[in-house]
Amino acid sequence: EAQVTQNPRYLITVTGKKLTVTCSQNMNHEYMSWYRQDPGLGLRQIYYSMNVEVTDKGDVPEGYKVSRKEKRNFPLILESPSPNQTSLYFCASKSGTDNYGYTFGSGTRLTVV
Amino acid sequence: DQQVKQNSPSLSVQEGRISILNCDYTNSMFDYFLWYKKYPAEGPTFLISISSIKDKNEDGRFTVFLNKSAKHLSLHIVPSQPGDSAVYFCAATRDNAGNMLTFGGGTRLMVKP
Repeated sequence: EAQVTQNPRYLITVTGKKLTVTCSQNMNHEYMSWYRQDPGLGLRQIYYSMNVEVTDKGDVPEGYKVSRKEKRNFPLILESPSPNQTSLYFCASKSGTDNYGYTFGSGTRLTVV
Repeated sequence: DQQVKQNSPSLSVQEGRISILNCDYTNSMFDYFLWYKKYPAEGPTFLISISSIKDKNEDGRFTVFLNKSAKHLSLHIVPSQPGDSAVYFCAATRDNAGNMLTFGGGTRLMVKP
């Protein structure tokens, strides 16, 4: 089944403790992206990647890092999480030949206390 | 300042009637628009899109209308079904590859049987 898989689905952590949210897609998509969803603000793009070793900042990149060492994986790294990073996170991917229509993962709900 | 706005946080419609979801944008550089549907505990799924060179795009029960002069688009669902109950996000992009999507805050649609 074609899908984007995020792990974990739920995570509660403490301020300052480094964490990584993994994202993997099995569709051989070139483009991958991370979004966060907050009430009333919709989804805001954190980082995106157009291919292996090619990443760029989205609208809200502060406090986040990403890497794209392999085509299928695009982990989101929070080096020193803070409470304002409590949010619902989505990873998404799409083919370079499709102009639009990202496929999204099921989301990771992160709480930073 | 949000460049894409959905001013109605929620909408309730009777089954069989028309649902109209609205979206306004401020950035005249946006040239492609999309609608996503999101069920609880799932990621958003792509629904329908429209290019700025068109004013209407139809796919089954779903039609998107674009009024460029008013910077306004709308999603019509006819007839509405209970299974359409979800949160709907409109999104816009100004890059050809659609990497950077700017989302609205979402509208929760409830279709009553």
